[in-house]
Amino acid sequence: GDSVTQMEGPVTLSEEAFLTINCTYTATGYPSLFWYVQYPGEGLQLLLKATKADDKGSNKGFEATYRKETTSFHLEKGSVQVSDSAVYFCALGPYPAGGTSYGKLTFGQGTILTVHP
Amino acid sequence: DAMVIQNPRYQVTQFGKPVTLSCSQTLNHNVMYWYQQKSSQAPKLLFHYYDKDFNNEADTPDNFQSRRPNTSFCFLDIRSPGLGDAAMYLCATSRGTSGDQETQYFGPGTRLLVL
Repeated sequence: GDSVTQMEGPVTLSEEAFLTINCTYTATGYPSLFWYVQYPGEGLQLLLKATKADDKGSNKGFEATYRKETTSFHLEKGSVQVSDSAVYFCALGPYPAGGTSYGKLTFGQGTILTVHP
Repeated sequence: DAMVIQNPRYQVTQFGKPVTLSCSQTLNHNVMYWYQQKSSQAPKLLFHYYDKDFNNEADTPDNFQSRRPNTSFCFLDIRSPGLGDAAMYLCATSRGTSGDQETQYFGPGTRLLVL
């Protein structure tokens, strides 16, 4: 079945450091890929997405590229801020209409990021 | 702003006492989802509605039910909460389930405590 594997956390960085959170996936087709962020006590917010191979999603300085050859969707940011401290979830999206994963997001286990001043 | 609203944000119930969680949306999306998220874990899909069509995940316990009386509202009913049902419950919506319509937008969640 479909699955998503994220690098284990927690990840602790100093402000302005470079961030990479690894995400790899297993899927039988070509689903969309997402990064969601969850701040303490809050729901999930969509950070970025990519819908096909070689697409790059970007938002708020974060980037991730859909790599079909390595089945990866690593999240990067060049200079993190204290306000980026949160849990980051990589997710594999539903397949095109008619697929068996109708409507379902498969999440990775989440990576806790803490940024110190 | 269009959004997904969940009420209440915190809910305390007693073991075995039925409880209902509420979700509403102003996005006019066709699909509404309920996820359960236990502490330090990924969200787990319980079920979703595409319009009035209900889709239950195979491993969702019978104790969990859902209602969608109209496009805007969706309810999660837990008939007899156990201690293991204490979790954050997340509601999400999407326009559809494929292509550009598949992106899911989440509400802030309701944290359920079972005493």
